[in-house]
Amino acid sequence: GDSVTQMEGPVTLSEEAFLTINCTYTATGYPSLFWYVQYPGEGLQLLLKATKADDKGSNKGFEATYRKETTSFHLEKGSVQVSDSAVYFCALSSGGSNYKLTFGKGTLLTVNP
Amino acid sequence: EAQVTQNPRYLITVTGKKLTVTCSQNMNHEYMSWYRQDPGLGLRQIYYSMNVEVTDKGDVPEGYKVSRKEKRNFPLILESPSPNQTSLYFCASRMGQGVPEDLFGQGTRLTVV
Repeated sequence: GDSVTQMEGPVTLSEEAFLTINCTYTATGYPSLFWYVQYPGEGLQLLLKATKADDKGSNKGFEATYRKETTSFHLEKGSVQVSDSAVYFCALSSGGSNYKLTFGKGTLLTVNP
Repeated sequence: EAQVTQNPRYLITVTGKKLTVTCSQNMNHEYMSWYRQDPGLGLRQIYYSMNVEVTDKGDVPEGYKVSRKEKRNFPLILESPSPNQTSLYFCASRMGQGVPEDLFGQGTRLTVV
């Protein structure tokens, strides 16, 4: 079945540091890929998405590129801020009757001033 | 404002006492789902509904029931809660079966003692 593996962290960075959170997946067919973010005490919010190979999703300075050859969708940001502190979830949907989202376990990011 | 509203946000209950967590969306979305979030496990789908009166099991349905009598509401019912159902629960909705850009509620933290 479908699965998502992401670095579990926690990840602690200083403000303005470069961020990479690795995500790899296993899926049938051609899944759509997502990054969701969960700020403290809140629900998940869609951060960015990509629906086909070589697509780059971007939002709020974050980027991720759909790499079919390496089955990866790594999240990157050039300069993190304290306000980026949150849990980040990589997810995929490979369609089917449910179009279910399959999530990774989440990566806690803490950014210190 | 588009939103998914869950109630209550926090609930402590005793083993065996039936409870219902409500979920409501104001976007006329067809697809709704329930997830539970547990440390180290990420989010796992409990039940989903593709439209009114159409519901089906997700990955971890045991011990839960749902109903979808009207499009906006999708309550989660625990008929006889047990301590292993202590978790953080999220309701989500989306417009249709296409690319699943889910909108999540703020979560319900349930403790069963």
